[in-house]
Amino acid sequence: SQTIHQWPATLVQPVGSPLSLECTVEGTSNPNLYWYRQAAGRGLQLLFYSVGIGQISSEVPQNLSASRPQDRQFILSSKKLLLSDSGFYLCAWSELAGAGYEQFFGPGTRLTVL
Amino acid sequence: TQLLEQSPQFLSIQEGENLTVYCNSSSVFSSLQWYRQEPGEGPVLLVTVVTGGEVKKLKRLTFQFGDARKDSSLHITAAQPGDTGLYLCAGTGGYQKVTFGTGTKLQVIP
Repeated sequence: SQTIHQWPATLVQPVGSPLSLECTVEGTSNPNLYWYRQAAGRGLQLLFYSVGIGQISSEVPQNLSASRPQDRQFILSSKKLLLSDSGFYLCAWSELAGAGYEQFFGPGTRLTVL
Repeated sequence: TQLLEQSPQFLSIQEGENLTVYCNSSSVFSSLQWYRQEPGEGPVLLVTVVTGGEVKKLKRLTFQFGDARKDSSLHITAAQPGDTGLYLCAGTGGYQKVTFGTGTKLQVIP
């Protein structure tokens, strides 16, 4: 069966510090990978998605970046965090299943920038 | 830009009541998913609907995809405290793009 891991679970960082969040998927090959950010109790904002190693599409221009160094590894980074980067970050994977793109989410990382 | 609006945004009901959550768009989707999310966790997939007019049932939850594939509804019968959570719809459109709805926060009071 497939599993998705994210770490760390929680993170408190000062403004201007760097960021690295990691996501790994097990039990599947060549998945589509996604990074989302979620404000409290609200919907998901797609930040990046990747259909293969080294292929990254950015949905929202901001000071975050993403990389996919391996097939099942997806990393979200920032060189200098802003207060507005605080939020709940979710990684997800999907594979084409019929006409749907069902997504399976990791447990999330709660980021607080002070 | 494809947008999915959910209503209501918040819903607080007593245990045993029925409720319906709506997910509306002006865009056509090839498929639509419903997810439920508990605080501090990732969303969990409940169902996928693909065909216009399709109805799927999952125990006390009934999901319907609009005939034109632009909207969907989720009906819960005899709500229980375990149904509490954030309900999210998500539509798949062109270029494999998935758009998430604005979310409906449900609280079921014992």
